[in-house]
Amino acid sequence: GAGVSQSPRYKVAKRGQDVALRCDPISGHVSLFWYQQALGQGPEFLTYFQNEAQLDKSGLPSDRFFAERPEGSVSTLKIQRTQQEDSAVYLCASSFFVGDTQYFGPGTRLTVL
Amino acid sequence: KQEVTQIPAALSVPEGENLVLNCSFTDSAIYNLQWFRQDPGKGLTSLLLIQSSQREQTSGRLNASLDKSSGRSTLYIAASQPGDSATYLCAVNQAGTALIFGKGTTLSVSS
Repeated sequence: GAGVSQSPRYKVAKRGQDVALRCDPISGHVSLFWYQQALGQGPEFLTYFQNEAQLDKSGLPSDRFFAERPEGSVSTLKIQRTQQEDSAVYLCASSFFVGDTQYFGPGTRLTVL
Repeated sequence: KQEVTQIPAALSVPEGENLVLNCSFTDSAIYNLQWFRQDPGKGLTSLLLIQSSQREQTSGRLNASLDKSSGRSTLYIAASQPGDSATYLCAVNQAGTALIFGKGTTLSVSS
């Protein structure tokens, strides 16, 4: 595809469930980022990959959050034992190289009941 | 810690008006600055990217300026249209990787 795609677009989970959010970056983009956007706020950085290497995970809010990009393309953000405060839109972005324009996907809206 | 502030939080203008959105940041040691547009329920669309060595960038009716020493950037929209209604986000890239965002300015252009 021409842009960054994310799936699912919407996810409803019961508190305590595990969820997995997928990101397909633009083909050939080396860098991949995950952000979390709460209602009425700007996105906040979660983690960053260069190819398959996770170079920065300083924004992950707890050890319940885990991200991977095993083959340097598709990435998955996993949240274990979801809590209500995890409800947010999770955005994925990719760029051709470090420091280049970041292109964002449509996001996954996670609602934890 | 870098902080990004956008003023105003919301703005309503009639169609055809020229307008300026403001963005300020606390640490002038930035790599670049990017302006985005976000429509309700949608992801972010990149509008302009200004490298730290540049003073401005233009795309169509949009012009973004950067004054790194004073920690400010402005997004100028000429001849606004109802289709410009959206939330505009400013984001600073400090180390070439993660973006630090402001909370955005929600623009409404009435016909």
